[in-house]
Amino acid sequence: RKEVEQDPGPFNVPEGATVAFNCTYSNSASQSFFWYRQDCRKEPKLLMSVYSSGNEDGRFTAQLNRASQYISLLIRDSKLSDSATYLCVVNLDDGNNRKLIWGLGTSLAVNP
Amino acid sequence: EAQVTQNPRYLITVTGKKLTVTCSQNMNHEYMSWYRQDPGLGLRQIYYSMNVEVTDKGDVPEGYKVSRKEKRNFPLILESPSPNQTSLYFCASSFLRAFHEQYFGPGTRLTVT
Repeated sequence: RKEVEQDPGPFNVPEGATVAFNCTYSNSASQSFFWYRQDCRKEPKLLMSVYSSGNEDGRFTAQLNRASQYISLLIRDSKLSDSATYLCVVNLDDGNNRKLIWGLGTSLAVNP
Repeated sequence: EAQVTQNPRYLITVTGKKLTVTCSQNMNHEYMSWYRQDPGLGLRQIYYSMNVEVTDKGDVPEGYKVSRKEKRNFPLILESPSPNQTSLYFCASSFLRAFHEQYFGPGTRLTVT
């Protein structure tokens, strides 16, 4: 089982739609969680952190469910510019080693 | 402007010809890292460095070398490139206290024939 799993998509949605992605992680020692965004052939960029209490940044909402070991990203009122690959990232810190575990990404295409 | 720069951006080379991809950051970050990204395999860490003169292997270090003689620079060296090292390479940096907030360079697309 992969350490971080995402549905690769692609998710094709019309402008204005609400879309949600999930990501599951296997290591219960995972400390913190993030979503990165990667445009085609460009570098990944941090989109937002995911807190236990959930957090919202404009049209984006991220949530964490530690009991079920998954995180989610909700995008409301999708824009054409939201088209990208969304990478789920887990920060694993077991006291001896700290590393980021990257999902393969979920591809989103927002259509006019 | 705060940034991570990589050079070259594109490189086509032949098997066995040594090459170096440079990486430089101007944010005084302690942590620097090299990744390769391949379809279906995602981002995989090659090497990382937590400070000057400190480097460690990532998940896929075979065939690569790095050095960290200065805080701002972290070059990736392929002593004898092979076709299976054809990939998109990213350098990244961050503060150790904000390890999760990685700043990536624009990427180097390497083709080894």
